[in-house]
Amino acid sequence: AQKVTQAQTEISVVEKEDVTLDCVYETRDTTYYLFWYKQPPSGELVFLIRRNSFDEQNEISGRYSWNFQKSTSSFNFTITASQVVDSAVYFCALSEFRGANNLFFGTGTRLTVIP
Amino acid sequence: NAGVTQTPKFQVLKTGQSMTLQCAQDMNHEYMSWYRQDPGMGLRLIHYSVGAGITDQGEVPNGYNVSRSTTEDFPLRLLSAAPSQTSVYFCASSLTGGTRFFGPGTRLTVL
Repeated sequence: AQKVTQAQTEISVVEKEDVTLDCVYETRDTTYYLFWYKQPPSGELVFLIRRNSFDEQNEISGRYSWNFQKSTSSFNFTITASQVVDSAVYFCALSEFRGANNLFFGTGTRLTVIP
Repeated sequence: NAGVTQTPKFQVLKTGQSMTLQCAQDMNHEYMSWYRQDPGMGLRLIHYSVGAGITDQGEVPNGYNVSRSTTEDFPLRLLSAAPSQTSVYFCASSLTGGTRFFGPGTRLTVL
């Protein structure tokens, strides 16, 4: 069965600090997708990234970067030079590679960036 | 493209009432699903559909019903609302294997 663990329930940082959000997953599938979504205070879910399991290259997009390590079943998300607009709940999710591709979410990490 | 739309945005029901949450997408996505979000529990899958006429249960299907008569629409029915169904409901769609796009959500309160 698939399971996603986000052990950090809440994190507070001061603006311009770097912050890493942890995500650990469990799956019996050998191929799968990993996702990060952002949920700002307005409530919508914003897609950030999708990574498939056979591509272990780290990815950088502006101030955001993702570190995928299959050996430790982790897919961590780092925000560099955090800004107040980064304050949100961040969800890590896992989906099957075939079939219905259902998404399994972690419980989320609430990030507060203090000005 | 409007993307994924959901109506209503807010709803208050009394215990025992029934209602339908509407979800529509204009991206010709085969896959649609319903999730509920409760504090501290992330999003949990209620029902999903891989195409018109095909639906299946997710993790928390009890008390909910779905049908998929068209590619565009995937309504979620609450048969007899209970306070435990107070939640925020999200509809999502994607191409098979593709990225999920989520609707704006419906906040439901059952008194």
